[in-house]
Amino acid sequence: GESVGLHLPTLSVQEGDNSIINCAYSNSASDYFIWYKQESGKGPQFIIDIRSNMDKRQGQRVTVLLNKTVKHLSLQIAATQPGDSAVYFCAENMYGAGSYQLTFGKGTKLSVIP
Amino acid sequence: EAGVAQSPRYKIIEKRQSVAFWCNPISGHATLYWYQQILGQGPKLLIQFQNNGVVDDSQLPKDRFSAERLKGVDSTLKIQPAKLEDSAVYLCASSSRAPGSTGELFFGEGSRLTVL
Repeated sequence: GESVGLHLPTLSVQEGDNSIINCAYSNSASDYFIWYKQESGKGPQFIIDIRSNMDKRQGQRVTVLLNKTVKHLSLQIAATQPGDSAVYFCAENMYGAGSYQLTFGKGTKLSVIP
Repeated sequence: EAGVAQSPRYKIIEKRQSVAFWCNPISGHATLYWYQQILGQGPKLLIQFQNNGVVDDSQLPKDRFSAERLKGVDSTLKIQPAKLEDSAVYLCASSSRAPGSTGELFFGEGSRLTVL
């Protein structure tokens, strides 16, 4: 029969509230991280990135925090809007099999309650 | 600026049949990637090209998957013969930067494959 995909972690927030999406990465040598947003039926879309020599970076309504000590990344979305409903992936640039690769995490589904 | 184009958007085949997906990257982007995204998971890299050369195909199941980018522009990904577990969305991405360097990847909308 058809295989069933893994159940995504979900986060439900009220419209206007702030959202925090967390991600644990695997490789302490990873030097670059990106957050992507993926809406249903579409490809991932770039949100914000951060290099490993930084611990915080801000964009428009979004902030990424990097804690290298515990290998943790978070995405904060201010004043969450219905259009923010999507699956959010963190990705790390890590070296493997002879080249650097952008490796994606499992994703978090954000649902915004109007 | 035109984005990454992929076709077909949807394909349904029976196991052991073959299928091919096509990708046209953003004009001028030297680096092209194919990712496989199984339902409920993050995209997994299959292969990356720089111009017409393969940079990394270590995660491509070479007994059934093949990919080419002969003229360094558009690319095709083929599966032959398909298995049930190949049901997924196949995403193509391109970048103006060298493989593995910093900078965003631009993704197409993907080709959804269902193997029955």
